[in-house]
Amino acid sequence: EADIYQTPRYLVIGTGKKITLECSQTMGHDKMYWYQQDPGMELHLIHYSYGVNSTEKGDLSSESTVSRIRTEHFPLTLESARPSHTSQYLCASSERTKAFFGQGTRLTVV
Amino acid sequence: GIQVEQSPPDLILQEGANSTLRCNFSDSVNNLQWFHQNPWGQLINLFYIPSGTKQNGRLSATTVATERYSLLYISSSQTTDSGVYFCAVGASNFGNEKLTFGTGTRLTIIP
Repeated sequence: EADIYQTPRYLVIGTGKKITLECSQTMGHDKMYWYQQDPGMELHLIHYSYGVNSTEKGDLSSESTVSRIRTEHFPLTLESARPSHTSQYLCASSERTKAFFGQGTRLTVV
Repeated sequence: GIQVEQSPPDLILQEGANSTLRCNFSDSVNNLQWFHQNPWGQLINLFYIPSGTKQNGRLSATTVATERYSLLYISSSQTTDSGVYFCAVGASNFGNEKLTFGTGTRLTIIP
């Protein structure tokens, strides 16, 4: 049903490294989102985009940044990873109604 | 922002049982969706239901927007129904696609 892909699925990385989490969708949706989810907890919106060259911060403050150069691509970057960034990151896209989620990236910073 | 509360937080049932999950929200919404997060973390969209009633197989959902709640019904539960069920809402002051999630109901179906 949903054609939205995230890579990598799992990432273990050392403190201070720069990382980019990839998210791509083939549905032509203008709206895309990044959510952060700790184990067993609710999802919190950290970034969203209405379309190319449009990005906004979400409800939960995050040290990550995003870009939207192409409609189908919405990468998230952490310039210097820290253990507090350990979490699951979920990408989604939508039109007017349903939102579709990727499989998520489980990030562990050691 | 909108507050979303889900109940119960945890539910353990025998296979074959029926269940009702509730979602209360604090303000008017234009968008309400139910999701199932499987044990591998994947979120599956079950319903887009800002008002009214919908059914899909063993699952159905009802939203009473004027009273600010939604219900998800699961009948004849199967072990594959286990996971966390999230309600998410959006309001028109954002264009209604920016979703606020509830804390979820963790459902465990015992064989």
